[in-house]
Amino acid sequence: DAKTTQPPSMDCAEGRAANLPCNHSTISGNEYVYWYRQIHSQGPQYIIHGLKNNETNEMASLIITEDRKSSTLILPHATLRDTAVYYCIVRVNTGTASKLTFGTGTRLQVTL
Amino acid sequence: NAGVTQTPKFQVLKTGQSMTLQCAQDMNHNSMYWYRQDPGMGLRLIYYSASEGTTDKGEVPNGYNVSRLNKREFSLRLESAAPSQTSVYFCASRVIGAGYGYTFGSGTRLTVV
Repeated sequence: DAKTTQPPSMDCAEGRAANLPCNHSTISGNEYVYWYRQIHSQGPQYIIHGLKNNETNEMASLIITEDRKSSTLILPHATLRDTAVYYCIVRVNTGTASKLTFGTGTRLQVTL
Repeated sequence: NAGVTQTPKFQVLKTGQSMTLQCAQDMNHNSMYWYRQDPGMGLRLIYYSASEGTTDKGEVPNGYNVSRLNKREFSLRLESAAPSQTSVYFCASRVIGAGYGYTFGSGTRLTVV
């Protein structure tokens, strides 16, 4: 299973872009990169996922390097409500059900 | 459309007691999952169900049993609760297929004394 490495914490000023890095150097060719976040003690919330190409949705952008060994989640204009723990996850496939393996994530603190 | 609903939201048990955590989803998802999260830790997979009628162990299955009652419902049972099972329990579901995201419930906060 591919593992991920994330910095334990980051700070970002409100209104600025938050760039959260993730290292997944052992990722396999058919494994996706997922990003989730957990605000306070709520259930994790899906943000975005990608395989090879960069992806963008209404919440964030995902930049995956060409060799797929690392990626960056970008929150273009961070707000206080984006303060959360962000998890970078590589999906493990087991038969017809794929499992998410969570690490300890990056705690993003957005400040005024 | 409520997504993933977990009951109860809070529970206190005495050591040795049993209880069942309920999870239901109304999104017609195939796969369902139970995770636990201890303070300051990431989520760890307890059991999962790829589809109705199937269940498999995850990373930390000891002390738990599950039942996939139908496509909507996936329950987690603690037969004899222990203090080490004090945790927040999350249920999740997803559609089978490449690239689909997971939807999580809001969690059950369980304390075993």
